Amino acid sequence: QQPVQSPQAVILREGEDAVINCSSSKALYSVHWYRQKHGEAPVFLMILLKGGEQKGHEKISASFNEKKQQSSLYLTASQLSYSGTYFCGTEDRSPQTGANNLFFGTGTRLTVIP
Amino acid sequence: DTGVSQDPRHKITKRGQNVTFRCDPISEHNRLYWYRQTLGQGPEFLTYFQNEAQLEKSRLLSDRFSAERPKGSFSTLEIQRTEQGDSAMYLCASSLGLGGGNTEAFFGQGTRLTVV
Repeated sequence: QQPVQSPQAVILREGEDAVINCSSSKALYSVHWYRQKHGEAPVFLMILLKGGEQKGHEKISASFNEKKQQSSLYLTASQLSYSGTYFCGTEDRSPQTGANNLFFGTGTRLTVIP
Repeated sequence: DTGVSQDPRHKITKRGQNVTFRCDPISEHNRLYWYRQTLGQGPEFLTYFQNEAQLEKSRLLSDRFSAERPKGSFSTLEIQRTEQGDSAMYLCASSLGLGGGNTEAFFGQGTRLTVV
């Protein structure tokens, strides 16, 4: 049930771009993206609901390919404040209860250096 | 509303003792989740509630773990006979509910448990 993220870690210089991928073996209802800084709680970035949907948040955007059960997070012109661990959360339906649940990937540690 | 709050923020306990954590979700949120996170890992699902009903519990969760959400408001997570492997950050999150809207999960600051 846990989605798989890649890469596990990436180091960027300010201004460089990065892509973080998230894939699941199960059919997905939606994908959520969060960022967590050291010692803090995960903070919501965006949610993607439909296959092929793209969303943007300043210079951070994401896409969701429902058929491939994959999502990608795009960080452009990275800033020092982007450093942290990025998690994707995948929403799928429980066969036992019929209710939707939210499972998180293993995370991608992003470090932006001057 | 100040968001999701968890208490205590830190807990050190001796192996074999019982511990209980509390989570107060955002007031209008009917979904409440518990996750466990260890260093360098993503949040691992433990259980979730829709109002007062516990809808799902991780199959990996031992019988020593139990959670309640009386009256669909705050929730408690109890760990009995703690083991060193239980040491982790326990995160609570709440949402309006999944399945059809912009219903992101808001996380609390977590309770860091250390079993010695």
